[in-house]
Amino acid sequence: QVQLVQSGAEVKKPGASVKISCKASGYTFSRNAIHWVRQAPGQRLEWMGWISGGNGFTMYSRKFEDRVTITRDTSATTVHMDLSSLRSEDTAAYYCARGGDRGFDYWGQGTLVSVSS
Amino acid sequence: VLTQSPGTLSLSPGERATLSCRTSQTVYSTYLAWYQQKPGQAPRLLIYGVSNRASGIPDRFSGSGSGTDFTLTISRLEPEDFAVYYCQQFGSSLDTYTFGQGTKLEIK
Repeated sequence: QVQLVQSGAEVKKPGASVKISCKASGYTFSRNAIHWVRQAPGQRLEWMGWISGGNGFTMYSRKFEDRVTITRDTSATTVHMDLSSLRSEDTAAYYCARGGDRGFDYWGQGTLVSVSS
Repeated sequence: VLTQSPGTLSLSPGERATLSCRTSQTVYSTYLAWYQQKPGQAPRLLIYGVSNRASGIPDRFSGSGSGTDFTLTISRLEPEDFAVYYCQQFGSSLDTYTFGQGTKLEIK
């Protein structure tokens, strides 16, 4: 069965960076993209970017393109999302999700990132 | 921009729910999806390509629409259906994946 398992909660200070991982299993990693979506408390879902599991091509939302980097480790079938220059507004749950022409069909459990001085 | 309405919908189990999603630009039918999210959980894909149910989704959930107006219908509400529902639009060049602001479906 397809599973996406994310790393644990993080507490960071403003200006720091955070790196979250997403371990994929149960399918052929190269066949799908992995997307990152975040959700601030009480807010809507917000797409951040994606990476191809096959060739590593990335695409980022314009809102985050200067602060986010998504990478993959094909041997570990793991995707990482690095968000820099953190501010309080980045406090949110961050999700990875498997993408395809059917939408985001499998999601990780979410990683809570808290940014506070 | 995706606009969902109503913001909150109060209904009773057994009733029919109709949720709306309006886009600011014409959407290619392949690129409209609906998700369900319960408190403390990740979203779950319900509908893709406007009207196709995702794997394991009960047939009381259906999607319809075209152009700029789309609808998610739940024919007979079950207690587990009370949640927040989001529509999502994909850009044709796969560079944008916009979500609506959500409709909260609550028990009346």
